[in-house]
Amino acid sequence: DIQMTQSPSSLSASVGDRVTITCRASQDISNSLAWYQQKPGKAPKLLLYAASRLQSGVPSRFSGGGSGTDYTLTISSLQPEDFATYYCQQYFITPPYTFGQGTKLEI
Amino acid sequence: EVQLLESGGGLVQPGGSLRVSCAASGFIFSSYAMSWVRQAPGRGLEWVSTISGSVGYTYYADSVKGRFTISRDNSKNTLYLQMNSLRAEDTAVYYCATDTVGLQFFDYWGQGTLVTVSS
Repeated sequence: DIQMTQSPSSLSASVGDRVTITCRASQDISNSLAWYQQKPGKAPKLLLYAASRLQSGVPSRFSGGGSGTDYTLTISSLQPEDFATYYCQQYFITPPYTFGQGTKLEI
Repeated sequence: EVQLLESGGGLVQPGGSLRVSCAASGFIFSSYAMSWVRQAPGRGLEWVSTISGSVGYTYYADSVKGRFTISRDNSKNTLYLQMNSLRAEDTAVYYCATDTVGLQFFDYWGQGTLVTVSS
């Protein structure tokens, strides 16, 4: 199975900061990577897929990059509503689809 | 508007069984794969199972294989997860999720239903 390792596990930042979260796969996943945002008590929300494609309705301050085994989620200018937990997920070829362990973004 | 509404969660004793459901609307249910993803209290997301659209191929995480069964009723636009031989470590919020793009990420999620396994 493909393992996903996210870093950091938690991150403190301020409104207006630029932050980057990293996700590393245990093998090449050919950009088959999605990013989700989850707020307490709520379901996850899809932000990006195919590593860099922005889901409809998601603000352009969110961007994704990377290739092969290493991927990033960048928030260009943090807004108050962006403080949440972020997860990456690989969907390369067939199940099991694995998530990273999450990154909690705190003020 | 795509809507997914889970139901059927609750308290069950270890070794017991429970079936959770997910009622779908706002899209052509039979055309898309459906999945269950769970989240134990204070923990991360864990993919549990996926069922393909019309043909109904099924896939399971090793942690639930042989104990859980995913199914769907396309005439009722409903997804199910039958959970048997439940263990304390199955305690989680169970989300149903769909992928309307066909690439096996999850673009729509339900609000989740809590399953608690405890004596």
